[in-house]
Amino acid sequence: GAVVSQHPSWVICKSGTSVKIECRSLDFQATTMFWYRQFPKQSLMLMATSNEGSKATYEQGVEKDKFLINHASLTLSTLTVTSAHPEDSSFYICSARGSGIGYTFGSGTRLTVV
Amino acid sequence: DAKTTQPNSMESNEEEPVHLPCNHSTISGTDYIHWYRQLPSQGPEYVIHGLTSNVNNRMASLAIAEDRKSSTLILHRATLRDAAVYYCILSPGGGSNYKLTFGKGTLLTVNP
Repeated sequence: GAVVSQHPSWVICKSGTSVKIECRSLDFQATTMFWYRQFPKQSLMLMATSNEGSKATYEQGVEKDKFLINHASLTLSTLTVTSAHPEDSSFYICSARGSGIGYTFGSGTRLTVV
Repeated sequence: DAKTTQPNSMESNEEEPVHLPCNHSTISGTDYIHWYRQLPSQGPEYVIHGLTSNVNNRMASLAIAEDRKSSTLILHRATLRDAAVYYCILSPGGGSNYKLTFGKGTLLTVNP
């Protein structure tokens, strides 16, 4: 089956620093990738949608300059949280979809900003 | 986006069947019904999906009402590992850009 690998699974960073999260489709070409954020005891909230080689489309209220998304290849998308602050602490989850492939999710990244 | 309604929580006993309902009265003719589940501190996991006919796979069964305004996810024998939040989501067929919108889902508790 389709597999999406997300790294790191958890990260702790100091306030003001940047953190990069990787999302890879291991056995299929992901034409579209999605990035979600989930706060404790809440549902997943979509942050942005990215197509390979194109700029990401951000949901309303998501700062594109703070959450940089790169989808330079059909198997890799990255989310960089720039100048992270404690309120950015959350569970970040990627999802990938390809031709004939349903939505496959990564295992998530727990970001803690101290 | 067509909306789904699910109970906030349900409880089951181990090795008993579980029926998780989902209402989607505004579903359109081309919307697929997807079910995902999320275990604690993990990403969502695909469970099953269907369009009109009932579907079975190794994880579960999906029963779709004839008018498609509701569906039921059936876990035939619940195990402790099935304790999770279950999400019922609609998406139109075709195209890879459609974004899945998650509601609150149903928190399933399985008692030993």
